[in-house]
Amino acid sequence: GAGVSQSPRYKVAKRGQDVALRCDPISGHVSLFWYQQALGQGPEFLTYFQNEAQLDKSGLPSDRFFAERPEGSVSTLKIQRTQQEDSAVYLCASSLGTGDYGYTFGSGTRLTVV
Amino acid sequence: GQQLNQSPQSMFIQEGEDVSMNCTSSSIFNTWLWYKQDPGEGPVLLIALYKAGELTSNGRLTAQFGITRKDSFLNISASIPSDVGIYFCAGQLWSKLTFGKGITLSVRP
Repeated sequence: GAGVSQSPRYKVAKRGQDVALRCDPISGHVSLFWYQQALGQGPEFLTYFQNEAQLDKSGLPSDRFFAERPEGSVSTLKIQRTQQEDSAVYLCASSLGTGDYGYTFGSGTRLTVV
Repeated sequence: GQQLNQSPQSMFIQEGEDVSMNCTSSSIFNTWLWYKQDPGEGPVLLIALYKAGELTSNGRLTAQFGITRKDSFLNISASIPSDVGIYFCAGQLWSKLTFGKGITLSVRP
């Protein structure tokens, strides 16, 4: 597609519920990133894929967070047993190569845990 | 997690004025980037800097990568109403970006 597409745009979850956030990167982009952006803050790195391989997951805040990209294109970020502190905008970004810095970000999914 | 230092949190300028924003870090980065984020959207890349000391322009925007590799500035000249938004600096090391908290820019007509 023309840009990075994320769905849903908004998600309200009850505390304890599991959620799945989807990212469709730009077609052919090798690298895919997930970032978390709390209100009034800059985005914070969560995890990085190169094709289907998850090369860095150092930013995932707990073992309740899990990301996958099984076929090297679409990625899903799953959060189990959501907590209020998980409320944030989750941004996905992709880039064509492995070394370039021309990330394109999606518009994000705003998760609110009530 | 670590974030870069951007201040002040907000800036208010008159249309037509120039504005300069600074970003500092205690860590060294290989690349510095400046992004702009509008409400409800993801950050959009404005300028990327790849070498210490590099000065790069993109239209009315000028940015520099500090010699120490621990700081950068962004200058916007002759501001216009559509410059309103949140400006983030980001440093890159390996695969991940580390962002500042952002500066919200308001432009008075």
